[in-house]
Amino acid sequence: GQSLEQPSEVTAVEGAIVQINCTYQTSGFYGLSWYQQHDGGAPTFLSYNALDGLEETGRFSSFLSRSDSYGYLLLQELQMKDSASYFCAVPRGGYNKLIFGAGTRLAVHP
Amino acid sequence: EAQVTQNPRYLITVTGKKLTVTCSQNMNHEYMSWYRQDPGLGLRQIYYSMNVEVTDKGDVPEGYKVSRKEKRNFPLILESPSPNQTSLYFCASMGRGGTQYFGPGTRLLVL
Repeated sequence: GQSLEQPSEVTAVEGAIVQINCTYQTSGFYGLSWYQQHDGGAPTFLSYNALDGLEETGRFSSFLSRSDSYGYLLLQELQMKDSASYFCAVPRGGYNKLIFGAGTRLAVHP
Repeated sequence: EAQVTQNPRYLITVTGKKLTVTCSQNMNHEYMSWYRQDPGLGLRQIYYSMNVEVTDKGDVPEGYKVSRKEKRNFPLILESPSPNQTSLYFCASMGRGGTQYFGPGTRLLVL
């Protein structure tokens, strides 16, 4: 079957760096995406990796290793507003069928 | 402003009373999806549509129907809601590279 695994919770302090890992099992691979969701809000797109390597967007970076079926989201210079849930997602059988991990709840403390 | 809208945002209903949750997008996207979100389970795809009059089941389609008569609209229909359909529902449309743009969510309680 197809599945994604990510830690359920991560805690960090303001200004620190945190890495949220995601391992996946899929038949066929079309890329790994990351979404952020604040409590009470809708998921919002953060990043997408189709090829191996690191993609950087401001304080957030995302990494992919297709040979290891593994990726991570790296958040730098953490701020309180980064406290949210983060989901990794992969398309299954094409872009239109997307499966999500269960989410990682990040708590940033002063 | 590019957006996905859903209505209603909150709904309390009773078992068996048909309801429809509307979804509309103004980005001219072909792909649209419905998801439900439950604690500890993440987002699970209910149905998706690749274009007008083209729909297909996602992972949890039982008890739901959809239609896509116009490109911008993708309503979710619960013909006979049951308490296990109490959940948070998100509509999404898909842009380039598979990026999903989510609506604000509809919180449904079925008594």
